This record gives sequence, C-alpha cells and structure tokens, in this order.
Amino acid sequence: AQTVTQSQPEMSVQEAETVTLSCTYDTSENNYYLFWYKQPPSRQMILVIRQEAYKQQNATENRFSVNFQKAAKSFSLKISDSQLGDTAMYFCAFMTQGGSEKLVFGKGTKLTVNP
Amino acid sequence: GAGVSQTPSNKVTEKGKYVELRCDPISGHTALYWYRQSLGQGPEFLIYFQGTGAADDSGLPNDRFFAVRPEGSVSTLKIQRTERGDSAVYLCASSPGTAQETQYFGPGTRLLVL
Repeated sequence: AQTVTQSQPEMSVQEAETVTLSCTYDTSENNYYLFWYKQPPSRQMILVIRQEAYKQQNATENRFSVNFQKAAKSFSLKISDSQLGDTAMYFCAFMTQGGSEKLVFGKGTKLTVNP
Repeated sequence: GAGVSQTPSNKVTEKGKYVELRCDPISGHTALYWYRQSLGQGPEFLIYFQGTGAADDSGLPNDRFFAVRPEGSVSTLKIQRTERGDSAVYLCASSPGTAQETQYFGPGTRLLVL
C-alpha cells in the first residue's frame, strides 16, 4: 500500500519570502502521479501543482514549483514570494497510474504567512 | 455548474440516525469520488464512481456506509445507524473521467454525530 508522509505539521514564513514544504512517499510502483493541494479555512481543496513520475522536469506553476526526486521518493513544494493568501493547509497526494483513481493523502502541513 | 457542490454544508444528527449527503459534480464529469477527512488528518478515500457504477468501493469502512449515483451525475452518500466516530468532513470530487485526470473538490459536508 502507498503511504505519504508530511513531516512538518506547521510552518510559518514572512510575506514575500520563500518556503519549502516536504513530502515523502512509499510505493513499489514505477508509474504514478503526485499532487499538492491547498485547503484554506473554507475547506475546499484546490489543486496547486501536479507532477507525472515519468517526467524528469520539475513542474512549475507561477510562484509554485516542486523538487521531485524519484529515487529518494521525495516531492517537496517551494512557494516563492509568499503572499498572505497562501495561508492554508497543504496536502501532498499520490495516485497510481493505471490502477484505482483514488488519491492517497498525507496528514498535511499548516502554513502561516505573516505580514 | 461552475464547480462541485455539496449539500448540506453542515449536518448535526444524533447517534443511531440515518443521514444522506449529496454531491453535484462538475457538468460533464463522469468520474466522482468521496473522501472522509477527520480532524487533523488528510482526506481518506471512500468510493469512486465511473458513470453510474462504483469502480472502487474499497475505502468504505463498513456496511453502514453506502453510496449511489443512479444517473451518472448527482451522488448520494448514505450512512445508517450513525456513530460518534462518523463525525468528519465528507468531501466529494469529480474529474472528466479519462485516466488520472485532476480531481476537483467540493467544499465538503461537516457531519457531527452527537
């Protein structure tokens, strides 16, 4: 069974600075997908970024980028130029390619951006 | 619609009662998922529909939980004989239905069993 571990329950960063959230996962599969979702207090999960395991190039979306290390089974999220609106819970998630479509989530990291 | 909607937003019930939670997916999305999020945890998979049929129900915790999607659009999650441990946020997501598409989540229903 796949597992996802987020070792930082809480983090904080000053506005305009950069922060990195960690995620490791365990799987015996070779083909899979990784995701970072953001969950603000409104509860709605919002996709931040997605990475296909077969792609060597790290995904980027504006201020958000990932450091995907397949051999180490590591998938960290870097947020540049942090904004107050980035304050939220961040969840790392895993999906096997070709299998069930279910997402397996970590426990989350609570990020606070301070003014 | 513009996004996934879920009703009610909040539901308070008494132990032993029956509850139904509704999910309206994004129009045209054939895949629909239910997850349960307990306090301080990440969401946990319950069931996945492709069209009208349950493609994977391995996450349903026991036979008190049941979900339907009779016309391949709206889905209802049904919980019989509720227990205090069922208290959680129930999240619904949908995707276009081709393999490994991104899942789009609704705002969830917060269920409290007294």
